[in-house]
Amino acid sequence: DAKTTQPPSMDCAEGRAANLPCNHSTISGNEYVYWYRQIHSQGPQYIIHGLKNNETNEMASLIITEDRKSSTLILPHATLRDTAVYYCIVRVGDKIIFGKGTRLHILP
Amino acid sequence: DAGVIQSPRHEVTEMGQEVTLRCKPISGHNSLFWYRQTMMRGLELLIYFNNNVPIDDSGMPEDRFSAKMPNASFSTLKIQPSEPRDSAVYFCASSFDGSYQPQHFGDGTRLSIL
Repeated sequence: DAKTTQPPSMDCAEGRAANLPCNHSTISGNEYVYWYRQIHSQGPQYIIHGLKNNETNEMASLIITEDRKSSTLILPHATLRDTAVYYCIVRVGDKIIFGKGTRLHILP
Repeated sequence: DAGVIQSPRHEVTEMGQEVTLRCKPISGHNSLFWYRQTMMRGLELLIYFNNNVPIDDSGMPEDRFSAKMPNASFSTLKIQPSEPRDSAVYFCASSFDGSYQPQHFGDGTRLSIL
């Protein structure tokens, strides 16, 4: 079973920041938080991952709370092409267990 | 750079037929993963290989499913005999050295068993 909880859907206005929450209250000390997204009919796309510290790359920022029980993925300036299902994953070794994710709708 | 390449992109066949799905991982990656995605069950890990050796096949649904990785640049997932409930999108992913490196996914094979 997935070890994360995400809202099933969210809306965000185009050009605004999209903040996607994730709860992972049972995370262990050596487990990473990963984010992937899946645009319709494509394979999942890796976005970002982190352990304790906040992370940023060209796609997004990942904010992890100090107790590591939750995190937020931030897309700073959402575009229509960011419409997708976003998966928050707690990774245990080599295996990735996908949950149901959050369906993000970007509104024009 | 070439990503993970899967073939065919679409496959339609009649039940009872043998189906073979193919995957070429990213060059240099030494872990390979097969997933299946359906509306009902979402994305499920079927099996994964590290250095061409199957490590965990606990997600393979039945003996009708088999997977091989004869070398570092090629893997197959075979279903024999196929059944309508096998209809799904099958994804292959690869990563470097498995643990904690991101997996990179192909575009999938959409399989329909009539």
